[in-house]
Amino acid sequence: GENVEQHPSTLSVQEGDSAVIKCTYSDSASNYFPWYKQELGKRPQLIIDIRSNVGEKKDQRIAVTLNKTAKHFSLHITETQPEDSAVYFCAASIWGNTPLVFGKGTRLSVIA
Amino acid sequence: DADVTQTPRNRITKTGKRIMLECSQTKGHDRMYWYRQDPGLGLRLIYYSFDVKDINKGEISDGYSVSRQAQAKFSLSLESAIPNQTALYFCATSHPGVNEQFFGPGTRLTVL
Repeated sequence: GENVEQHPSTLSVQEGDSAVIKCTYSDSASNYFPWYKQELGKRPQLIIDIRSNVGEKKDQRIAVTLNKTAKHFSLHITETQPEDSAVYFCAASIWGNTPLVFGKGTRLSVIA
Repeated sequence: DADVTQTPRNRITKTGKRIMLECSQTKGHDRMYWYRQDPGLGLRLIYYSFDVKDINKGEISDGYSVSRQAQAKFSLSLESAIPNQTALYFCATSHPGVNEQFFGPGTRLTVL
């Protein structure tokens, strides 16, 4: 089955700096890669996703890149703000066929 | 607004007790999931159901059972709770044509 590895487990950045979180997956059939954000005491919520037919997707200050050959994908947050502090989870699945398999999460702290 | 709800939100119980966690949704989604969240271990899938007559084991199903009573209801049972089942439990839903998963608020379970 699918296995998703996520690094780093914790990340601290200064406000205004960029943050990068990386994930690798094992199943070459996986074609859907979402990222979820979980604020303290809240439920996880989808912030961005990418399908394997594109290499990059952006939404304002966040972007996701995908390298299918290497089987890894990354979340990029630019101009970080204190409200970006949260736990971020990557996940992988086969679109429409299999449930999401999540990475273990990255706790991002943005220091003002 | 259409939502995913979980009851109870918090529960403290003793070793050996039978516990049921309930999940209801008004999103009209066919697919429902139960996850367990432990610090440093991410979100691990316990069981999932793609429709009312479908039940599938996830990564960590041992010690758990589920019931899909209707499209809108999916219950998780611990037949004989043990301390290492202390965790935060999330229910989630999704539509077959849209892979985004919508999470409930979570149930914090403590087994003494």
